[in-house]
Amino acid sequence: AQKITQTQPGMFVQEKEAVTLDCTYDTSDQSYGLFWYKQPSSGEMIFLIYQGSYDEQNATEGRYSLNFQKARKSANLVISASQLGDSAMYFCAMREAQGWSNSGYALNFGKGTSLLVTP
Amino acid sequence: DSGVTQTPKHLITATGQRVTLRCSPRSGDLSVYWYQQSLDQGLQFLIQYYNGEERAKGNILERFSAQQFPDLHSELNLSSLELGDSALYFCASSVSERGVGLGQFFGPGTRLTVL
Repeated sequence: AQKITQTQPGMFVQEKEAVTLDCTYDTSDQSYGLFWYKQPSSGEMIFLIYQGSYDEQNATEGRYSLNFQKARKSANLVISASQLGDSAMYFCAMREAQGWSNSGYALNFGKGTSLLVTP
Repeated sequence: DSGVTQTPKHLITATGQRVTLRCSPRSGDLSVYWYQQSLDQGLQFLIQYYNGEERAKGNILERFSAQQFPDLHSELNLSSLELGDSALYFCASSVSERGVGLGQFFGPGTRLTVL
């Protein structure tokens, strides 16, 4: 089974600074997808960014970028110019084939990193 | 707003009871997924339906069941509830069954409290 590891239970960053949230993964699949989600205190899960295993370039979405190092099996999230509204839990996830004949799929989540942005 | 709706937002019930959680996927999405988020287990995949058919099963208890209806909305039924079933239950949806490309879009969740 695949495994996602987020080693930082909590992180602090000052407003306007950049922060990197770590994620390592373990899989024997050649084709896989990696995702980051944000969960603010209100509870909803917000999709941030996606990286496919065959993508040549690192994914970027606005202030979010994914530092994908395939050989090291890491997919770190970089948030640039942090804002107070970035304070939330951040989850790294991997798409995992499931079911009979791998006809379905699920997201396998890490335990999350709690980010606090301070003024 | 992800476009996925879930009702109810909160649910408080007693042990031994049965509840039904409802989910409407984003317009055009054929796949629906259910996840459970608890403090001790984290976010766990329960089950996936695609266009009315079950496609994948995760750590779903036998006391739990789900279905997807012809209009693509889905219901998660939880029976013989125990204290440990208290959690945030998410529904998510995606266009395809294999999730190629973009991921899953999550609803706001239903917070279940079993007393």
